[in-house]
Amino acid sequence: DQQVKQNSPSLSVQEGRISILNCDYTNSMFDYFLWYKKYPAEGPTFLISISSIKDKNEDGRFTVFLNKSAKHLSLHIVPSQPGDSAVYFCAASNNFGNEKLTFGTGTRLTIIP
Amino acid sequence: DTGVSQNPRHKITKRGQNVTFRCDPISEHNRLYWYRQTLGQGPEFLTYFQNEAQLEKSRLLSDRFSAERPKGSFSTLEIQRTEQGDSAMYLCASSLSTGPSSYEQYFGPGTRLTVT
Repeated sequence: DQQVKQNSPSLSVQEGRISILNCDYTNSMFDYFLWYKKYPAEGPTFLISISSIKDKNEDGRFTVFLNKSAKHLSLHIVPSQPGDSAVYFCAASNNFGNEKLTFGTGTRLTIIP
Repeated sequence: DTGVSQNPRHKITKRGQNVTFRCDPISEHNRLYWYRQTLGQGPEFLTYFQNEAQLEKSRLLSDRFSAERPKGSFSTLEIQRTEQGDSAMYLCASSLSTGPSSYEQYFGPGTRLTVT
């Protein structure tokens, strides 16, 4: 039972353009959502998060949007840079993030110079 | 030391052998999590500790797996009688249980287990 889904295994985007990564969830008890970035041979690194009481959170080039009614969130990266090439995992949690994380399967983002 | 460390980084073992992994969290973090990641999947929760107490174990965790955090600092994860299906990356993460950044889990580089 995949409670967090990332339906695009890979995405290629031209440098300087917008990258949009999508994530869907099924468990309505989730109230906190996070994006992690992973480079090869390293552990995942926290990128940005959003609480269910918000619909948008922005941090520099990264913005996360949450649509609770659709159980959907997305990560926007503008402008995309070569260093953004990595695997991006969407994760969800209960208790406003103070619990275990349930991860999606990841999207490999490649930024084309 | 500013991050989560895990040892060993790689472990190759024969089926049926026991293996033990170690995780050293960020020193002021009182929560420690273990996850497992297989190829093409995201990390999957195994268990977590708050200080010395093991607060939750995944239903997927078989009896061959045991984890400890005896002094509330480092943790060990032991797998007994390894099977080929145990081959995976084992990730450790730590966090604070309270405060404005308690949602953020910091991950170590992982231990890659290969069972032959």
